[in-house]
Amino acid sequence: QLQLQESDSGLLRPSQNLSLSCSVSGASITGGSHSWHWFRQPPGQGLEWIGYIYHTGTTDYNSSLRSRVTLSLDRSRNQFSLKLTSLTAADTAVYYCVAEGPSPVWGHGTLVSVSS
Amino acid sequence: DIQMTQSPSTLSASVGDRVIISCRASQSIGIWLAWYQQKPGKAPKLLVYKASILENGAPPRFSGSGSGTDFTLTISTLQPDDVATYYCQQYKSYSRSFGRGTRVDIK
Repeated sequence: QLQLQESDSGLLRPSQNLSLSCSVSGASITGGSHSWHWFRQPPGQGLEWIGYIYHTGTTDYNSSLRSRVTLSLDRSRNQFSLKLTSLTAADTAVYYCVAEGPSPVWGHGTLVSVSS
Repeated sequence: DIQMTQSPSTLSASVGDRVIISCRASQSIGIWLAWYQQKPGKAPKLLVYKASILENGAPPRFSGSGSGTDFTLTISTLQPDDVATYYCQQYKSYSRSFGRGTRVDIK
């Protein structure tokens, strides 16, 4: 059974960078049967797509975040990762990793708080 | 980018009522639409994908329909456990997008 688990990040300061990883079990991130996505949800607000990475390393990003976001694969650990630079309070959100395949599978989410 | 418009934004109905939530895409997305249920503090839970396929484990009182630009999620008989926010999401475009959500509560 496919399962995803986000790493913790916790409290970050403005201008710092965010690094999150998503551990995947039940499928290989290089198998080609899924695309690997990140979404986020600010407190009390709706859902926003951040970007995706395919098993080939091909990526695409939300145009509003493109200048600050990078997704990557760690094949040896069967993980995929998110890096978001130059954080502001507006980046405070629950961050979710998602596997899209026959039907989407979501991680439980991890809260990232940005505050001075 | 594809814009998703959901209506209504909030909905109050009685237990046993039939509830319909609408979602419209700004351009045709075929059947590449999913519906999610989200309760406070929880990750979104997939209910329907490919517009009308019920996810394993989702209660059969939920159903999805539509194609192209117009879609609906129907709850045939509203239950107290259905109090939640519901989102539609298109995955036709690599740039995924969601509706702004419909909050459903019990009258």
